[in-house]
Amino acid sequence: KAGVTQTPRYLIKTRGQQVTLSCSPISGHRSVSWYQQTPGQGLQFLFEYFSETQRNKGNFPGRFSGRQFSNSRSEMNVSTLELGDSALYLCASSLRGGAWDTEAFFGQGTRLTVV
Amino acid sequence: ELKVEQNPLFLSMQEGKNYTIYCNYSTTSDRLYWYRQDPGKSLESLFVLLSNGAVKQEGRLMASLDTKARLSTLHITAAVHDLSATYFCAAANQAGTALIFGKGTTLSVSS
Repeated sequence: KAGVTQTPRYLIKTRGQQVTLSCSPISGHRSVSWYQQTPGQGLQFLFEYFSETQRNKGNFPGRFSGRQFSNSRSEMNVSTLELGDSALYLCASSLRGGAWDTEAFFGQGTRLTVV
Repeated sequence: ELKVEQNPLFLSMQEGKNYTIYCNYSTTSDRLYWYRQDPGKSLESLFVLLSNGAVKQEGRLMASLDTKARLSTLHITAAVHDLSATYFCAAANQAGTALIFGKGTTLSVSS
């Protein structure tokens, strides 16, 4: 079956711009979570969605936002980009999330470079 | 607040020798995950450990979980070059809605 699909794979943006990243989970999976990976901070949790509801949010400024659609696809948006937002953004998909799930599958990521 | 610490952060290994990566977490967690990441790639799931005393093995890798000590280990037996990568452990928060990752351990295997 198809895995987690993230688009685009690479992005170059200018400081001050905004960006939208997309994640299509594995078919049938309803939980999508987002992570930011940087060399300095490592892998950090951004937010998690289930059935179009945000259930958890990490410690990131309000410039980072997301949403989930009825087909479980998710988007995350970063406004007023800063150089420090340059990172690999990873999306993870799981069946239901929460206490019932035991596996989370990651997409290939979107590499965002802010110049 | 759940925190996860891995050590060592870097491990230079000789082929054929055994090594262990340690993963400590600060508060109760129901699930402990191990992932592998190759340079420029995403995370590949290796193991999910769900209960105290759980042990899982795949090839030269074996993971175990001690929930009382809040410690998981990833043991590498007879290292080979193909195992060179960065390995992450992650613990699930109580609600299961987030994975908290360690900093990762970068392994380099040389002959």
